[in-house]
Amino acid sequence: KQEVTQIPAALSVPEGENLVLNCSFTDSAIYNLQWFRQDPGKGLTSLLLIQSSQREQTSGRLNASLDKSSGRSTLYIAASQPGDSATYLCAVSGSRLTFGEGTQLTVNP
Amino acid sequence: NAGVMQNPRHLVRRRGQEARLRCSPMKGHSHVYWYRQLPEEGLKFMVYLQKENIIDESGMPKERFSAEFPKEGPSILRIQQVVRGDSAAYFCASSPPGLRAQYFGPGTRLTVL
Repeated sequence: KQEVTQIPAALSVPEGENLVLNCSFTDSAIYNLQWFRQDPGKGLTSLLLIQSSQREQTSGRLNASLDKSSGRSTLYIAASQPGDSATYLCAVSGSRLTFGEGTQLTVNP
Repeated sequence: NAGVMQNPRHLVRRRGQEARLRCSPMKGHSHVYWYRQLPEEGLKFMVYLQKENIIDESGMPKERFSAEFPKEGPSILRIQQVVRGDSAAYFCASSPPGLRAQYFGPGTRLTVL
């Protein structure tokens, strides 16, 4: 059974810092890994998708890496802004997505 | 291209009533997934459907819950005889064929009184 763990559970940083969110999964037989953002009371916004054959994906200030053999992914956020404050979710796929519990990020002005 | 649509956004039901949640996938997407987010918990998979077929319902409670994705119209998640423990946010996602990215709707927040 796939299990996904995200560390840290919560993170508070001053504006402008570069930061790393971590995700680990127990079964390396995945098709892809997605990072999402969820704002309070809202739906999920897909940030990045990494196929199992890929090592990383970049979008603007976001960079996600995947090491399938060790069961790890990181989401790197450069030059954080208050608008980045949200819960960040990692999910790995088979046909279904298995989600981690999320990292709640607060970026203070 | 409109995103995944869900309605209603908020639904209030009394114990014992039925709840019907609707999901219209993105244009060109033939795969629909339902997930549930209980208060203070993570998102859990419920069911995966393609048009007129249930592919994987291993996350669905065995009783009172059912889902369909008819040839025409939206996908429906139906909860019969709701109980307070059914109060949650229910999210629908869709994807094109080929195990690609899933795109989520805004969710339906069900409150059972």
